[in-house]
Amino acid sequence: ETGVTQTPRHLVMGMTNKKSLKCEQHLGHNAMYWYKQSAKKPLELMFVYNFKEQTENNSVPSRFSPECPNSSHLFLHLHTLQPEDSALYLCASSRRPPGGNEQFFGPGTRLTVL
Amino acid sequence: ELKVEQNPLFLSMQEGKNYTIYCNYSTTSDRLYWYRQDPGKSLESLFVLLSNGAVKQEGRLMASLDTKARLSTLHITAAVHDLSATYFCAVSPYNTDKLIFGTGTRLQVFP
Repeated sequence: ETGVTQTPRHLVMGMTNKKSLKCEQHLGHNAMYWYKQSAKKPLELMFVYNFKEQTENNSVPSRFSPECPNSSHLFLHLHTLQPEDSALYLCASSRRPPGGNEQFFGPGTRLTVL
Repeated sequence: ELKVEQNPLFLSMQEGKNYTIYCNYSTTSDRLYWYRQDPGKSLESLFVLLSNGAVKQEGRLMASLDTKARLSTLHITAAVHDLSATYFCAVSPYNTDKLIFGTGTRLQVFP
């Protein structure tokens, strides 16, 4: 068990639905991340939060809306998604540098957009 | 833009054999990470390499980092079936909190 949990593990939604992904870390870290993993593509960083502040938005479409209410919780709100958004969404957490920023990953949410 | 390239992308090897996976990156960095991913599972941290010349070993896997050549290697010694997985390297650019991942190397070990 990695100490990073994600819910739900699987999600099927229509293009007009609104849903949210949840991530929680129990490691005392202060940075949290959202990644997208699609078939045949490298892992893509979406958002970075440090101490609840967003420090990176990797040109992600506005239909993905992150929220970080505290250092332990991270949400990804989804609305009007497209079929090409179907992927595995991974959450990760880390301590801030120095000392290296090894990231610990959750199990992921497998999202299917119909 | 930082690019991270791994090769090979796919590796099929026989049990007991040795092989090396290569990770090249395009800009300066002194932090490199190796992860393992089993099918349908999340990423598991294997090694953290934080300086030029760093070498770390765990069981049949050994990772090294040459920051001058912008190259890291993951060496597999006497492969066993349990090592079958996808291996990713990831590089952290200076003064950032993000990781840029390579494309992954899918390793399959057969008897």
